[in-house]
Amino acid sequence: EVQLVESGGGLIQPGGSLRLSCAASGFTITSNHMSWVRQAPGKGLEWVSLIYSGGDTYYADSVKGRFTISRDKSKNTLYLQLNSLSPEDTAVYYCARDPVSTWYYFDSWGQGTLVTVSS
Amino acid sequence: DIQMTQSPFFLSASVGDRVTISCRASQSINFYLNWYQQKPGKAPNLLIYAASTLQSGVPSRFSGYGSGTDFTLTISSLQPEDFATYYCEQSYITPYTFGQGTKLEI
Repeated sequence: EVQLVESGGGLIQPGGSLRLSCAASGFTITSNHMSWVRQAPGKGLEWVSLIYSGGDTYYADSVKGRFTISRDKSKNTLYLQLNSLSPEDTAVYYCARDPVSTWYYFDSWGQGTLVTVSS
Repeated sequence: DIQMTQSPFFLSASVGDRVTISCRASQSINFYLNWYQQKPGKAPNLLIYAASTLQSGVPSRFSGYGSGTDFTLTISSLQPEDFATYYCEQSYITPYTFGQGTKLEI
């Protein structure tokens, strides 16, 4: 069974840093594309970052230069390093799997981890 | 960036109704359009990918149509568990972008 479990969220002061983790089971993350998607309280979904199975990475303009996506094959875990956080980054962060195919879509999601940026 | 515009923002309907949600892209995205359902406090759930392909396990009352810039999600006969928020998403090019969501209410 495919499962994604995020962790690492919490309350952080503006300007601070945080690392989110997404532990995967039931599949190998390096054989799939993986993304982070966030949702601010009461708002819609916003794609944040993508790492292709081959390792190429992409970011939303709103986080470029501040966030870094990475993965650890041995731990089958996806990460998102969040730096220079601002209140606008407050959101539930989801990791999502994109199975490698002709089309791109998120077929499995974690339960999300809440990041709150506030002083 | 490609802008995705959904309509309507809110939709009131009853069990058994047929409803359609629209999604328009600011430029052609071919068939790279996905639909998700999200219930309060839960992660989104994939319903349709590639504009019209039903994800495994999703009831057949859900269907998708469209190509290029105009797409629709139709629920043929609403069930109580279908009342949720629906999002379209383009995966034609990064940054992937979502519509603002359509809240389907009783």
